[in-house]
Amino acid sequence: EVQLVESGGDLVQPGRSLKLSCIASGFTFGDYGVTWVRQAPGKGLEWIAFIRRKAYGGATEYAASVRGRFTISRDDSKNIAHLQMDSLKTEDTAVYYCARVQGPPNTGSLYYFDYWGLGTLVTVSS
Amino acid sequence: DIVMTQSPDSLAVSLGERATLNCKSSQSVLYNSNNKNYVAWYQQKPGQPPKLLIYWASTRESGVPDRFSGSGSGTDFTLTISSLQAEDVALYYCLQYYSTLPSFGQGTEVGIK
Repeated sequence: EVQLVESGGDLVQPGRSLKLSCIASGFTFGDYGVTWVRQAPGKGLEWIAFIRRKAYGGATEYAASVRGRFTISRDDSKNIAHLQMDSLKTEDTAVYYCARVQGPPNTGSLYYFDYWGLGTLVTVSS
Repeated sequence: DIVMTQSPDSLAVSLGERATLNCKSSQSVLYNSNNKNYVAWYQQKPGQPPKLLIYWASTRESGVPDRFSGSGSGTDFTLTISSLQAEDVALYYCLQYYSTLPSFGQGTEVGIK
């Protein structure tokens, strides 16, 4: 059974850092891209980051709202992906989901997100 | 960036009736080399993560009831629930993955009339 479990959410002050983790099981983690999507309270879904498979250099993409502040990474030996969040702002308050990304076998392109974790809550407040 | 706009923001449909949800992209998400539309639809119930319903605009994910169907091409897409059930009350989002910067629509809330 495919599972993704996020952790690391917390209450943090503006300007501080936080690192989220996403542990995967039930599939060959290294064969898939991973993405993070967030949802502010009462709001819609916002895509924020994507990391390709190591076969494509683990290249990354970021939404403009987090580029330069957030860093996505992966450790295929541990089936884990991380989201390092620096210089946090109050508007970063949200539930953060990681999801598995489907993609073609021969390129590092991003397709749809098929399996999602339950999410972890990040609250940025003084 | 590609902007996805959903309509309506909310709709109420009687049980057993059809629900039609729309999603419009600011530019075509049809990839000519493979003739695929890079659109997916998700269902989200309160307190739960999104659930994949449809991908490639019209391919139903395994296990999704056949009352859910997707259609459209280019810039205009539709999710249809042919006979609304009580368990279909949820928020529905479209996603474009044509761009390396994917984007969601703002969501459509479906309720019971």
